[in-house]
Amino acid sequence: QQQVKQSPQSLIVQKGGISIINCAYENTAFDYFPWYQQFPGKGPALLIAIRPDVSEKKEGRFTISFNKSAKQFSLHIMDSQPGDSATYFCAASKGQGAQKLVFGQGTRLTINP
Amino acid sequence: DAGITQSPRYKITETGRQVTLMCHQTWSHSYMFWYRQDLGHGLRLIYYSAAADITDKGEVPDGYVVSRSKTENFPLTLESATRSQTSVYFCASSESTGSAFFGQGTRLTVV
Repeated sequence: QQQVKQSPQSLIVQKGGISIINCAYENTAFDYFPWYQQFPGKGPALLIAIRPDVSEKKEGRFTISFNKSAKQFSLHIMDSQPGDSATYFCAASKGQGAQKLVFGQGTRLTINP
Repeated sequence: DAGITQSPRYKITETGRQVTLMCHQTWSHSYMFWYRQDLGHGLRLIYYSAAADITDKGEVPDGYVVSRSKTENFPLTLESATRSQTSVYFCASSESTGSAFFGQGTRLTVV
């Protein structure tokens, strides 16, 4: 049972471009939606998170857009840099925190110089 | 060192053997989690703990056992390892309304 579906599985973007990764969820009880960034050989690291009371959250070059009615949320990386090359995971949970996160399948992002 | 530490980082074991993966956190977070990461599946929750002596199953608990006698430690035991348990295992911790912080992972190979 895949409660969080993530797309695309892989993405190649030119340096300076915009990277967009999408996620859709099924459980309307979810109320916490984080994005994690993972480099090879490392654990996932929290990048940015949003709660459903806002439609957008921006931190530096990273923005989460949230559409509650469509049950979708997406990560936008502006001015993508080679150092952004990593695997990105969306996730969702209920209880306003990180208890029992349900993860998407991951997106391998490559930024070409 | 502050943070969350997993050991060992790499482990090779034989089918049928018992193996324990260790996890230690220094933040005194109430919640701790074990996830496994496999290609095409993202991260899947094995077990979690809301406090010392309180544990509960996640999405894929079969073949695993956990305990939490102290807040800072959350070991994961594979009672009789199988090849399907070859994976990368991540421990994480969080407060009840906070973000989860992950360890560096343990790469386990069952031969």
